[in-house]
Amino acid sequence: DAKTTQPNSMESNEEEPVHLPCNHSTISGTDYIHWYRQLPSQGPEYVIHGLTSNVNNRMASLAIAEDRKSSTLILHRATLRDAAVYYCILKKGVGTDSWGKLQFGAGTQVVVTP
Amino acid sequence: NAGVMQNPRHLVRRRGQEARLRCSPMKGHSHVYWYRQLPEEGLKFMVYLQKENIIDESGMPKERFSAEFPKEGPSILRIQQVVRGDSAAYFCASSRGGPGTDTQYFGPGTRLTVL
Repeated sequence: DAKTTQPNSMESNEEEPVHLPCNHSTISGTDYIHWYRQLPSQGPEYVIHGLTSNVNNRMASLAIAEDRKSSTLILHRATLRDAAVYYCILKKGVGTDSWGKLQFGAGTQVVVTP
Repeated sequence: NAGVMQNPRHLVRRRGQEARLRCSPMKGHSHVYWYRQLPEEGLKFMVYLQKENIIDESGMPKERFSAEFPKEGPSILRIQQVVRGDSAAYFCASSRGGPGTDTQYFGPGTRLTVL
């Protein structure tokens, strides 16, 4: 299975943008890039996903490199509530039985300073 | 629309007892996933179920653990003869199913403590 690499932690000031990188150099052509986050003592929460084009939603933006070997999650204005562990996950895009599971790595711990 | 519900939220068991964790998926979702998060560790996939079927149990320990998702009622993760190493947070997620774009919605978790 293709793996992702993320920095262990990143710090940001409140109301500043946060750019979270993810490397996935062995991504296959049918893998989708998903991001989830986990706030302290809570279950993971879906953030955004994409395949080739950049994506925006109310929570964040996802910028995907042209060769798809890396991507960046962008939180436009960090708030204290955005302090969490952010996971970049590749999800298979073809219909085999193994496509269901999410394989979480260590993620990036985002610290937001007031 | 209620989210994924898990109960109990906290469960204390003595070594050798059985633990039953319940998960009610979101309305309209027929796919359920169980994940385990050991203390100071990451989330690990355990099992993926559809109604009355186990689709992928590649992450389930070979002994003492079982899961079901009956036609009616919640999904159940059952741990027999619990040991201290089973102490963890167990998260359930549900989805509509499908590769690629399918999104999983997680419950708040059940925190199991084995004394």
